[in-house]
Amino acid sequence: GAVVSQHPSRVICKSGTSVKIECRSLDFQATTMFWYRQFPKQSLMLMATSNEGSKATYEQGVEKDKFLINHASLTLSTLTVTSAHPEDSSFYICSAPPTGEETQYFGPGTRLLVL
Amino acid sequence: QKEVEQNSGPLSVPEGAIASLNCTYSDRVSQSFFWYRQYSGKSPELIMSIYSNGDKEDGRFTAQLNKASQYVSLLIRDSQPSDSATYLCAVTRGDSWGKLQFGAGTQVVVTP
Repeated sequence: GAVVSQHPSRVICKSGTSVKIECRSLDFQATTMFWYRQFPKQSLMLMATSNEGSKATYEQGVEKDKFLINHASLTLSTLTVTSAHPEDSSFYICSAPPTGEETQYFGPGTRLLVL
Repeated sequence: QKEVEQNSGPLSVPEGAIASLNCTYSDRVSQSFFWYRQYSGKSPELIMSIYSNGDKEDGRFTAQLNKASQYVSLLIRDSQPSDSATYLCAVTRGDSWGKLQFGAGTQVVVTP
């Protein structure tokens, strides 16, 4: 149980385009989902908290207008990287705790390369 | 900035030996603690969670928590080459429910 999927697993795009990443909890409901970013040789950095039915909350230094988050249902959150630039190239990972639990289960991640 | 600190390694462990991983955290309000394993190029996978002081065992893994010392550890017994990975310590942040703060990770290399 507690499976989280992400799509796509890998994306290459041109600078200035937007990229949408989906995160789904497959066998449980998640009121809250989290989006992380991981640069090479570094640990995970929390970007934002996605809340079903309300606005996402962003960590300090993360631009909310650049990283748009929509938590459309109890099993789906999307992250859209708008006007992507090469410095946005990273490994984006979502996580979700089953509602009421603190244990987070991670999706397989999306590797974004902006040319 | 609240911190979670781990030795970066690499920690080289002979096959069959015990790997000992340490983690200290600075936020005294943290209540939940997790160990994740991350293979190169992959996302983290949960190994263990621990919430109260003492030891918690699950198969070859034992987590130890000492809140007074703000210290959490992970022991891997009978280490296997497949255990070679980066181990991430994560603690819940006191400022918001559910948010985790991660250490930089300890790379473990199990040598046959």
